[in-house]
Amino acid sequence: DGGITQSPKYLFRKEGQNVTLSCEQNLNHDAMYWYRQDPGQGLRLIYYSQIVNDFQKGDIAEGYSVSREKKESFPLTVTSAQKNPTAFYLCASSSIHMAPLHFGNGTRLTVT
Amino acid sequence: GDSVTQMEGPVTLSEEAFLTINCTYTATGYPSLFWYVQYPGEGLQLLLKATKADDKGSNKGFEATYRKETTSFHLEKGSVQVSDSAVYFCALSDRQGKDSNYQLIWGAGTKLIIKP
Repeated sequence: DGGITQSPKYLFRKEGQNVTLSCEQNLNHDAMYWYRQDPGQGLRLIYYSQIVNDFQKGDIAEGYSVSREKKESFPLTVTSAQKNPTAFYLCASSSIHMAPLHFGNGTRLTVT
Repeated sequence: GDSVTQMEGPVTLSEEAFLTINCTYTATGYPSLFWYVQYPGEGLQLLLKATKADDKGSNKGFEATYRKETTSFHLEKGSVQVSDSAVYFCALSDRQGKDSNYQLIWGAGTKLIIKP
């Protein structure tokens, strides 16, 4: 079955540490996205990538970094510069930019 | 800029009740409109979509009609089930300018609770 795999489901880190969230898709989609979801809020776009080796900042990119070395993979690093990193992170992909998105099941990051 | 406004939740209904979740939008162009659903602990899934005025999207008993005159895309279902309990997001996809990429604008989500 094709889909998007995010791992791990839950992640705990100490303040000041960088942490990398994994996102892999086998849908052969060109575009991939990272969103952040906070309680009672809509989704906010962190970064997106329309092709391999290229990515663009979204609305809240500060404190985050990404890479897109392979079509299937789009890892997100939450750096120590991110002021409020505790959140639910969602990875998504689409066949072309902003076509209907397919989402992974998310990673819940808790930083203490 | 473009925006999406959804009714605040939670919306609590009894099983077999009629459901309406309101969604209105502002857009400069001719957006496509979407409803996504998020079940507890999961990512979002596309529920239905409409790409032009007067289109009706439907799936799993849910329907929404793209109303340009009222800039609305309200989600409806005739008889809800406990398994419909989830968070529902309205979204629009629009190009922000002639030379711009498409953007996806999200509503804040509406939590739906169905009681047996």
